[in-house]
Amino acid sequence: EVLLVQSGAEVKKPGESLRIPCKGFGYSFSTHWIGWVRQMPGKGLEWMGIINGGSSDTRYSPSFRGQVTISADKSIGTAYVEWSSLKASDSAMYYCTAIAGGSSGWYLWGQGTLVTVSS
Amino acid sequence: QSALTQPASVSGSPGQSITISCTGTNSDVGGYNYVSWYQQYPGKAPKLMISEVSDRPSGVSNRFSGSKSGNTASLTISGLQAEDEADYYCASYASSGIYVFGTGTEVTVL
Repeated sequence: EVLLVQSGAEVKKPGESLRIPCKGFGYSFSTHWIGWVRQMPGKGLEWMGIINGGSSDTRYSPSFRGQVTISADKSIGTAYVEWSSLKASDSAMYYCTAIAGGSSGWYLWGQGTLVTVSS
Repeated sequence: QSALTQPASVSGSPGQSITISCTGTNSDVGGYNYVSWYQQYPGKAPKLMISEVSDRPSGVSNRFSGSKSGNTASLTISGLQAEDEADYYCASYASSGIYVFGTGTEVTVL
C-alpha cells in the first residue's frame, strides 16, 4: 500500500524545539517531492515548503523561510519539518504530502500531526 | 506569494451543478498548467480531486471536472450530492518554484 505516515500529536512549551517526521511507504521516495502544509484551527491550507526526496533540493514559502527547516533522509524514506524555538502561533495541524516529478497533483497525504504549543 | 482567491462559500441543491473559481496571476495559475484541486472533510486530510487543470485521478467521480481560462481556474461539480459537502482548495505551481493554495471554498448542499 502506498502511504505517508506521520507521528502522533505533540504538546510543547514555547521556546522548545520539535522535529516531526513523515515516512513514505510503497513508492520510490527519491522520485517524489514531499511538501509540508500548515492548517491553523478553523483556517485554510498553507504551503510551508517542499523538498525533493532524491536530491534534497528544498524550497520554502516566503512566510516560512527562516521559521522552519525542512529536511529528508532518503536512506529511510523520511522527510522532516523542524522548529528550533516554538511559539504559541505554531499551534496547528501539519500535513505532509507527496507528488511525483512532472505532475501537479499532490496525491499522497499523511494523516496529519497536531502540534500544540502552550505554556 | 499571495493565496489564490476563491469564493468563501458556494451552495447548491442536490442534482444541480456548481462551479468554484480560483483566481491567481500570470506568475501562478496563468503561467502554468499545474493547477490542482483538493477536497477536505472536517478533521481529515485533503484529497486530490483534479490535477494538471483537468485530469481526474483514478477513483474520483466523473462529476468533478476542471478547467482554466487565463488567470482563473475552475472546478465544477455536477449532479451535486450530499457527500460533496466539504471544503475545496485549489493549488498552483508558481514561478518562485513553490506552490500556493487558494483561500478555500465551503460547499454546502441545500
